[in-house]
Amino acid sequence: NAGVMQNPRHLVRRRGQEARLRCSPMKGHSHVYWYRQLPEEGLKFMVYLQKENIIDESGMPKERFSAEFPKEGPSILRIQQVVRGDSAAYFCASSPTEGQGYEQYFGPGTRLTVT
Amino acid sequence: EDKVVQSPLSLVVHEGDTVTLNCSYEVTNFRSLLWYKQEKKAPTFLFMLTSSGIEKKSGRLSSILDKKELFSILNITATQTGDSAVYLCAVERGNKLVFGAGTILRVKS
Repeated sequence: NAGVMQNPRHLVRRRGQEARLRCSPMKGHSHVYWYRQLPEEGLKFMVYLQKENIIDESGMPKERFSAEFPKEGPSILRIQQVVRGDSAAYFCASSPTEGQGYEQYFGPGTRLTVT
Repeated sequence: EDKVVQSPLSLVVHEGDTVTLNCSYEVTNFRSLLWYKQEKKAPTFLFMLTSSGIEKKSGRLSSILDKKELFSILNITATQTGDSAVYLCAVERGNKLVFGAGTILRVKS
């Protein structure tokens, strides 16, 4: 059973460009969570999605950030008009059911660098 | 505001030493406390604690939760260089995990 997959693993964008981060959950998992880790800081919750629904986006900046988890295909975290402060590691986690923390399995992360 | 605070921020020990990592929290609607190990990649799950005073153990690692004083400790005995990592504490609140900043552990041979 393949784990949570994220791609790309590293992404470099210039200021003002768009970044698209992809997350394929573990097989059988229908719940996806996105977290951001800034240098020297812990992971910060951004958004929780189920298939075709955003359940909780309380940690996501109101502007430039959006997330989706379509019926088919991976979950996408989209950052428009990136700025230097968006440089971070973005981790995705998935779970088979709602809210049980120990069942959140993490992917390897995408390291976004904005130049 | 929800808060998870880990101490120390970093720690350097020699192989064979015993270390204790601390995690205190102020989180509403607490469900559980989790410990993860992170080595330049995905955080890997170590323990989940829901009840006070019950020690969870896995090999040289053990952890315990105090829900009255709102803290947890992670102990590692007979440390090895492979234990070098960032140790993250997280509290489950509703649908999300609230993480501390982590403790960077370096074990020297």
